[in-house]
Amino acid sequence: AQSVTQPDIHITVSEGASLELRCNYSYGATPYLFWYVQSPGQGLQLLLKYFSGDTLVQGIKGFEAEFKRSQSSFNLRKPSVHWSDAAEYFCAVGGSSNTGKLIFGQGTTLQVKP
Amino acid sequence: DAMVIQNPRYQVTQFGKPVTLSCSQTLNHNVMYWYQQKSSQAPKLLFHYYDKDFNNEADTPDNFQSRRPNTSFCFLDIRSPGLGDAAMYLCATSRGFGPTYNEQFFGPGTRLTVL
Repeated sequence: AQSVTQPDIHITVSEGASLELRCNYSYGATPYLFWYVQSPGQGLQLLLKYFSGDTLVQGIKGFEAEFKRSQSSFNLRKPSVHWSDAAEYFCAVGGSSNTGKLIFGQGTTLQVKP
Repeated sequence: DAMVIQNPRYQVTQFGKPVTLSCSQTLNHNVMYWYQQKSSQAPKLLFHYYDKDFNNEADTPDNFQSRRPNTSFCFLDIRSPGLGDAAMYLCATSRGFGPTYNEQFFGPGTRLTVL
């Protein structure tokens, strides 16, 4: 079955520290992978996506993610976190050319300490 | 700016009283999606339209219906809301399916409260 697992429900980092949010997926075909961010009471904003090619993808707001097929992972990273990065982060997988359905992970809530 | 708009942002309804949520888009995208997101949970796809073609997820309750009168607008109708339907409802759009086209753009959501 297709699924996405975000092992960390809640993460707290200090402002200026580096960040890594984990995402593991289970998908039968070539996955298309996404990271979205959601601020409280808001919709989802796309941070970055991977379809093919270079396995290290750059996104907005200084985020990057690395696709590792052997580990079925697509972890999100940022070298230096800002207080405004505090939000909920969702990893999602999709891929079928017959449907645009995205399967989301449970989300990771990021808290940033001053 | 091109965008996805949802109205209202907050909706309060009574148990069993029909309610309609609205979504409009200026992106001219072919696909419109409705997701349900309960508190502290992942968004869950209810259904989508590709142009006029409607696709219902297998586990979407019959209580939920949708209409897409034109490219720009899509409505979510909840015929008889129950307390368990209280959630954030997210509308999203994409140009199509498959690589490149299936990046989804989300609206700000409508928070539904059922009393």
